Amino acid sequence: DVKVTQSSRYLVKRTGEKVFLECVQDMDHENMFWYRQDPGLGLRLIYFSYDVKMKEKGDIPEGYSVSREKKERFSLILESASTNQTSMYLCASSSGGPTYNEQFFGPGTRLTVL
Amino acid sequence: DAKTTQPPSMDCAEGRAANLPCNHSTISGNEYVYWYRQIHSQGPQYIIHGLKNNETNEMASLIITEDRKSSTLILPHATLRDTAVYYCIVRPSNNAGNMLTFGGGTRLMVKP
Repeated sequence: DVKVTQSSRYLVKRTGEKVFLECVQDMDHENMFWYRQDPGLGLRLIYFSYDVKMKEKGDIPEGYSVSREKKERFSLILESASTNQTSMYLCASSSGGPTYNEQFFGPGTRLTVL
Repeated sequence: DAKTTQPPSMDCAEGRAANLPCNHSTISGNEYVYWYRQIHSQGPQYIIHGLKNNETNEMASLIITEDRKSSTLILPHATLRDTAVYYCIVRPSNNAGNMLTFGGGTRLMVKP
Protein backbone atom coordinates (compact mmCIF):
# COMPACT_ATOMS: atom_id res chain seq x y z
CA ASP A 1 0.00 0.00 0.00
CA VAL A 2 1.07 3.55 -0.69
CA LYS A 3 2.02 5.36 2.44
CA VAL A 4 2.21 9.10 2.86
CA THR A 5 3.39 10.23 6.26
CA GLN A 6 3.50 13.66 7.81
CA SER A 7 5.88 14.62 10.56
CA SER A 8 3.29 15.71 13.11
CA ARG A 9 -0.46 15.27 13.64
CA TYR A 10 -0.70 18.34 15.86
CA LEU A 11 1.58 21.37 16.07
CA VAL A 12 1.36 24.60 18.07
CA LYS A 13 3.59 27.53 17.13
CA ARG A 14 3.82 31.22 17.97
CA THR A 15 3.38 34.13 15.60
CA GLY A 16 6.61 34.91 13.79
CA GLU A 17 8.15 31.47 14.19
CA LYS A 18 9.54 29.59 11.22
CA VAL A 19 7.61 26.35 10.75
CA PHE A 20 8.57 23.23 8.81
CA LEU A 21 6.01 20.63 7.84
CA GLU A 22 7.50 17.45 6.45
CA CYS A 23 5.93 14.90 4.15
CA VAL A 24 7.39 11.57 3.03
CA GLN A 25 6.00 9.06 0.53
CA ASP A 26 7.28 5.55 -0.05
CA MET A 27 5.98 4.75 -3.56
CA ASP A 28 8.53 6.57 -5.70
CA HIS A 29 5.87 9.06 -6.85
CA GLU A 30 6.93 11.95 -9.06
CA ASN A 31 4.21 14.37 -7.95
CA MET A 32 3.75 15.76 -4.47
CA PHE A 33 1.27 18.35 -3.20
CA TRP A 34 0.54 20.53 -0.21
CA TYR A 35 -3.05 21.56 0.56
CA ARG A 36 -4.68 23.38 3.41
CA GLN A 37 -8.19 22.65 4.56
CA ASP A 38 -10.41 25.15 6.34
CA PRO A 39 -14.08 24.87 7.35
CA GLY A 40 -16.36 25.97 4.54
CA LEU A 41 -13.50 26.36 2.05
CA GLY A 42 -12.67 22.75 1.21
CA LEU A 43 -9.11 21.86 0.23
CA ARG A 44 -6.99 24.51 -1.42
CA LEU A 45 -3.71 23.81 -3.19
CA ILE A 46 -0.70 25.69 -1.84
CA TYR A 47 2.20 24.26 -3.88
CA PHE A 48 2.99 21.18 -5.85
CA SER A 49 6.11 19.54 -7.23
CA TYR A 50 6.39 17.24 -10.23
CA ASP A 51 10.07 16.41 -9.82
CA VAL A 52 13.01 16.84 -7.49
CA LYS A 53 13.92 20.51 -7.10
CA MET A 54 10.86 21.53 -9.16
CA LYS A 55 7.94 23.44 -7.69
CA GLU A 56 4.85 25.20 -8.92
CA LYS A 57 2.53 27.61 -7.11
CA GLY A 58 -0.97 26.50 -6.41
CA ASP A 59 -3.97 28.67 -5.63
CA ILE A 60 -2.76 30.16 -2.34
CA PRO A 61 1.07 30.21 -2.20
CA GLU A 62 1.42 33.52 -0.33
CA GLY A 63 3.22 33.14 2.97
CA TYR A 64 4.53 29.68 2.12
CA SER A 65 7.54 28.14 0.43
CA VAL A 66 8.47 24.54 -0.34
CA SER A 67 11.51 22.38 -0.75
CA ARG A 68 11.99 19.11 -2.58
CA GLU A 69 15.59 17.97 -2.36
CA LYS A 70 14.77 14.26 -2.56
CA LYS A 71 12.05 12.51 -4.50
CA GLU A 72 10.37 11.03 -1.45
CA ARG A 73 10.28 14.19 0.67
CA PHE A 74 8.35 17.45 0.21
CA SER A 75 8.59 20.15 2.86
CA LEU A 76 6.25 23.08 3.43
CA ILE A 77 7.82 26.11 5.10
CA LEU A 78 6.07 28.97 6.83
CA GLU A 79 8.80 31.61 6.98
CA SER A 80 7.02 33.70 9.63
CA ALA A 81 3.90 32.01 10.92
CA SER A 82 0.76 34.11 11.33
CA THR A 83 -2.55 33.36 13.03
CA ASN A 84 -4.36 33.16 9.68
CA GLN A 85 -2.19 30.15 8.85
CA THR A 86 -3.89 28.13 11.56
CA SER A 87 -5.32 25.26 9.56
CA MET A 88 -5.21 21.57 8.67
CA TYR A 89 -2.35 20.87 6.26
CA LEU A 90 -2.56 17.84 3.97
CA CYS A 91 0.20 16.36 1.87
CA ALA A 92 -0.47 14.12 -1.14
CA SER A 93 1.49 12.27 -3.79
CA SER A 94 0.75 10.67 -7.15
CA SER A 95 2.66 9.02 -9.93
CA GLY A 96 3.55 11.14 -12.93
CA GLY A 97 2.76 10.82 -16.60
CA PRO A 98 0.55 12.64 -19.09
CA THR A 99 -2.77 11.56 -17.60
CA TYR A 100 -4.26 11.99 -14.16
CA ASN A 101 -3.29 9.54 -11.47
CA GLU A 102 -5.01 9.07 -8.16
CA GLN A 103 -3.63 11.15 -5.30
CA PHE A 104 -2.76 9.49 -2.02
CA PHE A 105 -3.09 11.68 1.04
CA GLY A 106 -1.34 11.73 4.36
CA PRO A 107 -3.24 11.97 7.68
CA GLY A 108 -2.80 15.73 7.94
CA THR A 109 -1.11 18.13 10.38
CA ARG A 110 -3.33 20.40 12.42
CA LEU A 111 -1.32 23.58 12.94
CA THR A 112 -2.31 26.20 15.47
CA VAL A 113 -0.51 29.55 15.43
CA LEU A 114 -0.94 31.57 18.62
CA ASP B 1 -11.89 23.22 -14.36
CA ALA B 2 -15.68 22.99 -14.32
CA LYS B 3 -17.48 23.87 -11.11
CA THR B 4 -19.50 21.27 -9.23
CA THR B 5 -22.53 21.61 -6.97
CA GLN B 6 -23.30 19.10 -4.22
CA PRO B 7 -25.82 19.11 -1.38
CA PRO B 8 -24.06 20.03 1.87
CA SER B 9 -25.35 17.03 3.80
CA MET B 10 -27.29 13.77 3.51
CA ASP B 11 -28.41 10.97 5.80
CA CYS B 12 -28.60 7.29 4.95
CA ALA B 13 -29.72 4.24 6.92
CA GLU B 14 -27.11 1.55 7.50
CA GLY B 15 -27.40 -1.24 4.93
CA ARG B 16 -29.27 0.90 2.45
CA ALA B 17 -27.88 2.40 -0.74
CA ALA B 18 -26.45 5.90 -0.45
CA ASN B 19 -26.95 8.00 -3.60
CA LEU B 20 -24.86 11.16 -3.67
CA PRO B 21 -25.67 13.62 -6.48
CA CYS B 22 -23.36 16.08 -8.18
CA ASN B 23 -24.18 18.74 -10.74
CA HIS B 24 -21.51 19.79 -13.23
CA SER B 25 -23.48 21.57 -15.95
CA THR B 26 -20.42 23.35 -17.40
CA ILE B 27 -18.35 20.19 -17.83
CA SER B 28 -16.40 20.12 -21.06
CA GLY B 29 -15.69 17.21 -23.37
CA ASN B 30 -12.27 16.32 -22.02
CA GLU B 31 -13.16 16.52 -18.33
CA TYR B 32 -13.57 13.47 -16.15
CA VAL B 33 -15.67 13.18 -13.00
CA TYR B 34 -13.74 12.10 -9.90
CA TRP B 35 -14.97 11.23 -6.44
CA TYR B 36 -12.96 11.33 -3.23
CA ARG B 37 -14.08 11.01 0.36
CA GLN B 38 -12.65 12.17 3.65
CA ILE B 39 -13.37 10.32 6.83
CA HIS B 40 -13.01 12.34 10.00
CA SER B 41 -9.38 12.96 11.03
CA GLN B 42 -8.01 11.35 7.88
CA GLY B 43 -6.78 12.59 4.52
CA PRO B 44 -9.02 12.30 1.44
CA GLN B 45 -9.28 8.91 -0.24
CA TYR B 46 -9.86 8.26 -3.95
CA ILE B 47 -13.07 6.36 -4.73
CA ILE B 48 -13.77 6.26 -8.46
CA HIS B 49 -13.73 8.28 -11.67
CA GLY B 50 -15.38 8.21 -15.10
CA LEU B 51 -15.81 10.08 -18.38
CA LYS B 52 -19.20 9.16 -19.83
CA ASN B 53 -19.79 5.47 -19.19
CA ASN B 54 -20.98 4.19 -15.86
CA GLU B 55 -18.19 2.79 -13.72
CA THR B 56 -18.10 0.31 -10.85
CA ASN B 57 -15.36 -0.82 -8.49
CA GLU B 58 -15.16 -2.52 -5.13
CA MET B 59 -16.09 0.68 -3.32
CA ALA B 60 -18.85 2.28 -5.36
CA SER B 61 -20.65 2.85 -8.64
CA LEU B 62 -20.64 6.05 -10.65
CA ILE B 63 -23.60 6.90 -12.86
CA ILE B 64 -23.08 9.77 -15.32
CA THR B 65 -26.07 11.18 -17.22
CA GLU B 66 -26.04 11.03 -20.98
CA ASP B 67 -25.54 14.80 -21.29
CA ARG B 68 -22.77 14.54 -18.63
CA LYS B 69 -24.18 17.49 -16.73
CA SER B 70 -24.69 15.50 -13.56
CA SER B 71 -23.61 12.29 -11.90
CA THR B 72 -24.45 10.12 -8.91
CA LEU B 73 -22.11 8.19 -6.67
CA ILE B 74 -23.75 5.06 -5.28
CA LEU B 75 -22.59 3.19 -2.20
CA PRO B 76 -24.72 0.05 -2.54
CA HIS B 77 -24.81 -1.02 1.10
CA ALA B 78 -23.73 1.84 3.30
CA THR B 79 -22.02 1.07 6.60
CA LEU B 80 -21.27 3.30 9.58
CA ARG B 81 -17.67 3.51 8.33
CA ASP B 82 -18.90 5.23 5.17
CA THR B 83 -19.77 8.32 7.21
CA ALA B 84 -17.55 10.96 5.61
CA VAL B 85 -17.46 14.06 3.41
CA TYR B 86 -17.72 13.11 -0.27
CA TYR B 87 -16.15 15.35 -2.89
CA CYS B 88 -17.11 15.44 -6.57
CA ILE B 89 -14.44 16.96 -8.82
CA VAL B 90 -14.28 17.47 -12.57
CA ARG B 91 -11.01 18.00 -14.39
CA PRO B 92 -9.22 17.08 -17.60
CA SER B 93 -7.39 13.79 -17.52
CA ASN B 94 -4.30 15.37 -19.04
CA ASN B 95 -4.01 18.33 -16.72
CA ALA B 96 -0.36 18.87 -15.96
CA GLY B 97 0.53 18.41 -12.34
CA ASN B 98 -2.49 16.27 -11.49
CA MET B 99 -3.98 19.13 -9.47
CA LEU B 100 -7.35 18.71 -7.80
CA THR B 101 -9.73 21.46 -6.76
CA PHE B 102 -11.92 20.37 -3.86
CA GLY B 103 -15.18 22.18 -3.10
CA GLY B 104 -17.32 21.84 -0.02
CA GLY B 105 -18.50 18.29 -0.65
CA THR B 106 -21.46 16.40 0.83
CA ARG B 107 -21.33 15.29 4.45
CA LEU B 108 -22.89 11.80 4.48
CA MET B 109 -24.10 10.53 7.82
CA VAL B 110 -24.87 6.80 7.91
CA LYS B 111 -27.20 6.03 10.80
CA PRO B 112 -27.87 2.70 12.51
